[in-house]
Amino acid sequence: AQTVTQSQPEMSVQEAETVTLSCTYDTSESDYYLFWYKQPPSRQMILVIRQEAYKQQNATENRFSVNFQKAAKSFSLKISDSQLGDAAMYFCAYRSIGGGSEKLVFGKGTKLTVNP
Amino acid sequence: GAVVSQHPSWVICKSGTSVKIECRSLDFQATTMFWYRQFPKQSLMLMATSNEGSKATYEQGVEKDKFLINHASLTLSTLTVTSAHPEDSSFYICSATADYEQYFGPGTRLTVT
Repeated sequence: AQTVTQSQPEMSVQEAETVTLSCTYDTSESDYYLFWYKQPPSRQMILVIRQEAYKQQNATENRFSVNFQKAAKSFSLKISDSQLGDAAMYFCAYRSIGGGSEKLVFGKGTKLTVNP
Repeated sequence: GAVVSQHPSWVICKSGTSVKIECRSLDFQATTMFWYRQFPKQSLMLMATSNEGSKATYEQGVEKDKFLINHASLTLSTLTVTSAHPEDSSFYICSATADYEQYFGPGTRLTVT
């Protein structure tokens, strides 16, 4: 079974600075999806970014980018120019491709605090 | 983008009663929906996968007789917590798939007194 590990329960960053959240995963599959989700205090889960494992190019969405290292099974999230609205829980998630399973496997999350 | 709604957003019920939570995909059809449970300051725990027109698939350790799931249409799945007890108090989140993405509902806070 696949597992996702987020080793940083909490992180903090100064407004306008850059922060990187870590995620590692374990799988024997060669093709899969990886996601970062944000859960603000409202508790609404919001998709931040998605990476397909077969793509070597790291995904980018505005101030959010990932460093995907397939061999190392690492998938970190970089938030540039941090804003107060970025404060939230961030969850890394894994999803298999094919096999009829669309289940997400979540890490335990990292709480990000943004200091003004 | 795809929108998923949940109703109610917050419900309080007495111990021993049943409560139903609805999950709707508002602007798309979802053959598969998922139900999660989230305890405070913890991650999402998948409870079951809901498939339209068939029985739900429950994760190991989830009591299927306690958490009844019905997916009667392509836009609606319901979770019924039967004979609720205080330990069932939690935050329940549903999601629905569209274009290979999972879109999440805003969640339902259940408090059992």
